[in-house]
This record gives sequence, C-alpha cells and structure tokens, in this order.
Amino acid sequence: EAGVAQSPRYKIIEKRQSVAFWCNPISGHATLYWYQQILGQGPKLLIQFQNNGVVDDSQLPKDRFSAERLKGVDSTLKIQPAKLEDSAVYLCASSLVRGTGELFFGEGSRLTVL
Amino acid sequence: GEDVEQSLFLSVREGDSSVINCTYTDSSSTYLYWYKQEPGAGLQLLTYIFSNMDMKQDQRLTVLLNKKDKHLSLRIADTQTGDSAIYFCAERGGFKTIFGAGTRLFVKA
Repeated sequence: EAGVAQSPRYKIIEKRQSVAFWCNPISGHATLYWYQQILGQGPKLLIQFQNNGVVDDSQLPKDRFSAERLKGVDSTLKIQPAKLEDSAVYLCASSLVRGTGELFFGEGSRLTVL
Repeated sequence: GEDVEQSLFLSVREGDSSVINCTYTDSSSTYLYWYKQEPGAGLQLLTYIFSNMDMKQDQRLTVLLNKKDKHLSLRIADTQTGDSAIYFCAERGGFKTIFGAGTRLFVKA
C-alpha cells in the first residue's frame, strides 16, 4: 500500500516569496491534515479536511496561508508571502473517518525562509 | 485549550528500560497515542490506548494510563540503539489530535 506522498521535500525561499506544497493521501482516506512542525516542537495542526470540506482551520494564519482539496483527494498548501517564522517542516497526514484515529504521515516538506 | 506536555530528553544505556512520561489536559480524550519520529521522517504510530483501559502491552512496549491524573507513560523494555528517536505523546478528543513537543530518547551503547 502506498503511503502519504509529499513534495517537494526541501524548499528554500526568501521572505515575501511564495511557496506551495502538495500532498497525496493514502487511497481511501477521507480525512487529510496539514501540520506545521517547527524545530524542537511537536506538530501543530494547521487545517483538517474531510473529503473536500474543511473541518478545522482555526490555527491557520489565513492572511498568508491557504489550503485546498478540490476533488477530495490531493491537497495543496500555499504560503504567500512567507515570513522568517514560517521556516518549519510541513507534514501532511491522512486517516480513515472511523476507527482508532491513527494518522499516517508523509515524510514532510522542509521549508527554509531566508 | 487542550495541552499535552512531556519532558524533552531521556538518556538510557542499551539493554535498560526507558520510561517516557506525558500529561494531558483534555478529560474527554478517547484515544491516547505514542508516535515515533526518526531523523528526516514523518511520525509513525507506535501504539495507542483507548481511554477506558489502564494498560496495554505490545511486545517490548507497555503503555500505562492514569485517567484520574491525566498521565500517560510508555515503557520500552530492553532498549536498543535502534530505539533512538523522538517520541510524541498525542491525545484525541473529538476530531482533533493534539501532540506534545516530543521526548528525544538517546540510547548509549
């Protein structure tokens, strides 16, 4: 079974530039999450989708971050304009709607903002 | 709001037992989890416990849950160098999973 796919693995940009991350969840997983993991911290939920609807985006800085999951499968997370404090690993995860709530994570996209 | 706290570092000798502790605040948590993260990788579920259980054992792993004190622990028996990683405690109440900051486990040969 293929896992959660994310790209790019690494991205370096200057502040005020824009960046986009892509995620393809495990087939059949209706719920998709984007987490931000700053160095030395635990993952912080940015946004959670169920199919193509948003369940929770209370922690998403909406003035600069946006995310979409148009067909209920792939998702993109965009940052525009980036700030220095956005340097982090952006983790995508997916899960089944029911069950133990286990999250399956991708390897993450590491963003460095200079 | 919900919060999960855990100590940041633990160092043990190979062959000893490791105990990683965690406290959480959400009394409505239904599941509590331990995830493992190796360098450059995403998190992977190690084990979980349902909130109506006190203990769960899975090979070298033992999870203890004290619901009254909102305290969760993970014991790794016969710790190996391959167990060196960051261990995250997480709790799920409703639809949201909240993670702690992670405990970095160092295993000395």
